[in-house]
Amino acid sequence: EAQVTQNPRYLITVTGKKLTVTCSQNMNHEYMSWYRQDPGLGLRQIYYSMNVEVTDKGDVPEGYKVSRKEKRNFPLILESPSPNQTSLYFCASSFSRGLSGYTFGSGTRLTVV
Amino acid sequence: AQKITQTQPGMFVQEKEAVTLDCTYDTSDPSYGLFWYKQPSSGEMIFLIYQGSYDQQNATEGRYSLNFQKARKSANLVISASQLGDSAMYFCAMRGYNNNDMRFGAGTRLTVKP
Repeated sequence: EAQVTQNPRYLITVTGKKLTVTCSQNMNHEYMSWYRQDPGLGLRQIYYSMNVEVTDKGDVPEGYKVSRKEKRNFPLILESPSPNQTSLYFCASSFSRGLSGYTFGSGTRLTVV
Repeated sequence: AQKITQTQPGMFVQEKEAVTLDCTYDTSDPSYGLFWYKQPSSGEMIFLIYQGSYDQQNATEGRYSLNFQKARKSANLVISASQLGDSAMYFCAMRGYNNNDMRFGAGTRLTVKP
């Protein structure tokens, strides 16, 4: 089944404790993105990647890191999480840029206390 | 810069009736795609329908249709014969041809009443 797999689905952590949210897609998509969803703001892009070793900032990159060492994987790293990073996070992938829609993972609900 | 506006934070509809969710957009891209996603309470994002900016006809997918008015920059979602399972958050989104970013509106929460 074609899908984007994120883990974990739920995570509660403490301020400052490094964490990684994993994302993997099995569709051989070139483009991958991370979004965060907050009430009243919709989804905002954190980082995106156009291919292996090619990443760039989205609208809200502060406090996040990403890497794309393999085409299928695009982990999101929070080096020192803070409570304002409490949010619902989505990984998404698409075949190409532009007019292709994204396929989304199931989401990761992160709480930083 | 691209911008998506959904002016209805919440909507109610009676079961079996039709409902229109509003979406307006702003872009300088000559070519772009418009998307609607459904987010049920379980949280996943489900793709519903797509409209290309150069498509002559409005897109339809089952009970979903997109009322695309290019000159007015609007891309409203019409759900016919609403069902209880349609209760969810609905997001309008846009992606320009030369853009890596899919921009989302703030969403509309639809509640279908029995």
